[in-house]
Amino acid sequence: GAGVSQSPSNKVTEKGKDVELRCDPISGHTALYWYRQSLGQGLEFLIYFQGNSAPDKSGLPSDRFSAERTGGSVSTLTIQRTQQEDSAVYLCASSFDRYTEAFFGQGTRLTVV
Amino acid sequence: AQKVTQAQTEISVVEKEDVTLDCVYETRDTTYYLFWYKQPPSGELVFLIRRNSFDEQNEISGRYSWNFQKSTSSFNFTITASQVVDSAVYFCALSDDGGSNYKLTFGKGTLLTVNP
Repeated sequence: GAGVSQSPSNKVTEKGKDVELRCDPISGHTALYWYRQSLGQGLEFLIYFQGNSAPDKSGLPSDRFSAERTGGSVSTLTIQRTQQEDSAVYLCASSFDRYTEAFFGQGTRLTVV
Repeated sequence: AQKVTQAQTEISVVEKEDVTLDCVYETRDTTYYLFWYKQPPSGELVFLIRRNSFDEQNEISGRYSWNFQKSTSSFNFTITASQVVDSAVYFCALSDDGGSNYKLTFGKGTLLTVNP
């Protein structure tokens, strides 16, 4: 596709379950980012990938959060043992490199009940 | 620590009015970049502009203009002759990692509603 694609667009899960959020970046983009948007905290950086490596994971809020990227393309953000405070919109973005314009997906709205 | 403040939570204007969105930032670094993004109801963030700390010239792009003043640590955004399609949440952001995109500190956003 032409843009950054995220799936699912909406996810409702029960507290304590694991969830996986997927991001398909724009083809050829080596840099990929995950951000979280919540009412209380606004937009927060989670993790940055350059290729398949994650030089900066400092924004991941706890060890329940992990992410990987394979083939320099698709990335998956996994949240284990979800908590209600994990409810937010998770945004993925990609760019040709970390210095060029970043294009964002439409996000995955996660609701933990 | 970095901080971006967008004091205006919501602004409502009538079409064709000019509107200015305020952004004040804090950073200890002398080299940094400032950004504005638009978030329409569809949810994705749309890049509008990036400006580095060494370039204080104002920028104009069509109906959009940006005023960067280091003396007041502000990077304000003006929409001239607003249109209904300008309705969105606008975010100001700061990066001090040599202009990279990966670790942006965002403001809380300003919801702009342009009424016909």
